[in-house]
Amino acid sequence: QVQLVQSGAEVTKPGASVKVSCATSGYTFTNFHMHWVRQAPGQGLEWMGIINPDGGSTSYAQKLQGRVTMTRDTSTSTVYMELNSLRSEDTAVYYCARDRGTALYYFDFWGQGTLVTVSS
Amino acid sequence: DIQMTQSPSTLSAFVGDRVAITCRASQSISTWLAWYQQKPGKAPNLLIYKASNLESGVPSRFSGSGSGTEFTLTISSLQPDDFATYYCQQYNSYSPTFGQGTKVEIK
Repeated sequence: QVQLVQSGAEVTKPGASVKVSCATSGYTFTNFHMHWVRQAPGQGLEWMGIINPDGGSTSYAQKLQGRVTMTRDTSTSTVYMELNSLRSEDTAVYYCARDRGTALYYFDFWGQGTLVTVSS
Repeated sequence: DIQMTQSPSTLSAFVGDRVAITCRASQSISTWLAWYQQKPGKAPNLLIYKASNLESGVPSRFSGSGSGTEFTLTISSLQPDDFATYYCQQYNSYSPTFGQGTKVEIK
């Protein structure tokens, strides 16, 4: 069965960076694009970007351009999301979400979420 | 970006009620629309894709309709497990966006 297992909660300071992992299993890693979506406390869902695990190409939300980097490790079927220059508004639960196929841009399986808290 | 607006923001209903949630897009998105259910502390769960296609494993009391700029998620007979927040999401563009959510509460 498809599983996306994310790394644990992080507490970090303004200006720092955070890197969240999403380990996948139960399907062919390179056959499905992966997205990152975040949700601030009590708020709605915000798309952050997409990575093609087959080749590593990426596309990011314009709002986050220059601060976010998505990478993958095909040897461990894991994708990563790094966000730098953190600010309090980046406090959120971060989800990896599998694309239904190759860049269809809707999401059929989700990780359990990783809470990132940015606080001085 | 395409703006997605859901109504109502909160909906109170009884078990067994038929309920409908509306989602409007700021421009035409054809039928490139998905619906998700989210329960507190959990990740969203895909219910409907391409406006009206039921995801495998999702109960048939859920249905979706619409095209262009106006869409509806209908629950034909509300069950206790359905009390949750529902989000629409457009994927017409390479910058997908979500509605603000509709919380379905027990009346």
